[in-house]
Amino acid sequence: AQSVAQPEDQVNVAEGNPLTVKCTYSVSGNPYLFWYVQYPNRGLQFLLKYITGDNLVKGSYGFEAEFNKSQTSFHLKKPSALVSDSALYFCAVGMTTDSWGKLQFGAGTQVVVTP
Amino acid sequence: SQTIHQWPATLVQPVGSPLSLECTVEGTSNPNLYWYRQAAGRGLQLLFYSVGIGQISSEVPQNLSASRPQDRQFILSSKKLLLSDSGFYLCAWKRGDNSPLHFGNGTRLTVT
Repeated sequence: AQSVAQPEDQVNVAEGNPLTVKCTYSVSGNPYLFWYVQYPNRGLQFLLKYITGDNLVKGSYGFEAEFNKSQTSFHLKKPSALVSDSALYFCAVGMTTDSWGKLQFGAGTQVVVTP
Repeated sequence: SQTIHQWPATLVQPVGSPLSLECTVEGTSNPNLYWYRQAAGRGLQLLFYSVGIGQISSEVPQNLSASRPQDRQFILSSKKLLLSDSGFYLCAWKRGDNSPLHFGNGTRLTVT
């Protein structure tokens, strides 16, 4: 079974400052990992994914994430946050051996970027 | 390109009434389809998934059911709604590999 933890309920950052949203996971095999963003009353939008290869993954809207196998982490980062980045962010993990494609989502981290 | 449609966007139903939420996917064939529920604007709970017509798997026992009458159509139903069925329901699809889930815009269900 897999699980995902997002230890921060909310992250506050000033516009222009770097943004980091933390995610740790637990799986019994090889994971694949995703980050999604959700704006109010909307569905989740895909930001980026890690399957294999380079540990640093670049995604949409200037976001990137670093896969760290030894720390079982997949933190989301953005060098310079924008007010429009204020949203709810979800980390998700799946198993490469799971043919059903089920994902386990974290509880979400609310990002608030202040002008 | 592929798109996913989910309707209605909002729904207010009395306790004990039936429910039918519909989701359709365009631009792809034989997608994996999923119903999630998001309570209190946070965590997502997988309710049902389907890898083919007529093939439905349930993740948690509850008052809801799902059906897949056509390849790209996924329906979430209930015969009698409970107050606890209130929430934000999200339909999603993906290809049968390690590709991302793609979500619809959701249905906000309020049971009164």
